[in-house]
Amino acid sequence: DAGVIQSPRHEVTEMGQEVTLRCKPISGHDYLFWYRQTMMRGLELLIYFNNNVPIDDSGMPEDRFSAKMPNASFSTLKIQPSEPRDSAVYFCASSLPPQSSYNSPLHFGNGTRLTVT
Amino acid sequence: AQSVTQPDIHITVSEGASLELRCNYSYGATPYLFWYVQSPGQGLQLLLKYFSGDTLVQGIKGFEAEFKRSQSSFNLRKPSVHWSDAAEYFCAVSDQRNYGGSQGNLIFGKGTKLSVKP
Repeated sequence: DAGVIQSPRHEVTEMGQEVTLRCKPISGHDYLFWYRQTMMRGLELLIYFNNNVPIDDSGMPEDRFSAKMPNASFSTLKIQPSEPRDSAVYFCASSLPPQSSYNSPLHFGNGTRLTVT
Repeated sequence: AQSVTQPDIHITVSEGASLELRCNYSYGATPYLFWYVQSPGQGLQLLLKYFSGDTLVQGIKGFEAEFKRSQSSFNLRKPSVHWSDAAEYFCAVSDQRNYGGSQGNLIFGKGTKLSVKP
């Protein structure tokens, strides 16, 4: 099992540019989560999906942020236009279906470190 | 609103010494509680969790944590720290009522960075 795969590992972009972060969850996991980690705010849940459907996007900071999950094996988090305050590490995580998830942890990817200059 | 407080931002202990990382939560009902560890450049890994029952829970890598309802605490302990335990540790709480079968709606503390002296 390759685990949750995120790409790219690092992204440096200029303010105003569009940024797309990618995530491949573990096969069979039907929950997918996007988190953002900063020194000031710690780990924040941005959005999560169940069976490819967004369930709670109340953590998405602004309309500049959008997330999609077109199929069970792929999700994107897009920022358009990007701003310097978006600089953070973005984590994707997945977990097993509800009937087994009481004993199933979140599995995190290694994150994408985004720097917006 | 739910919140998690980890009062220690950075702790340094000697290898072989005991460790206790503090976590306090603010929540009206019985929460689900978790400890995660994050090594540099890595994602988070679950160490242990408390849902119900025995208030002393055992986790991986020799860690344990004790849920104390009266103190709203869920402190993480290890009797003898190894150099490989140097990492950042996060306490998290989940809403039991809205758990929804997923651990994703977690509220994380700001983390405690652990350094280990030889």
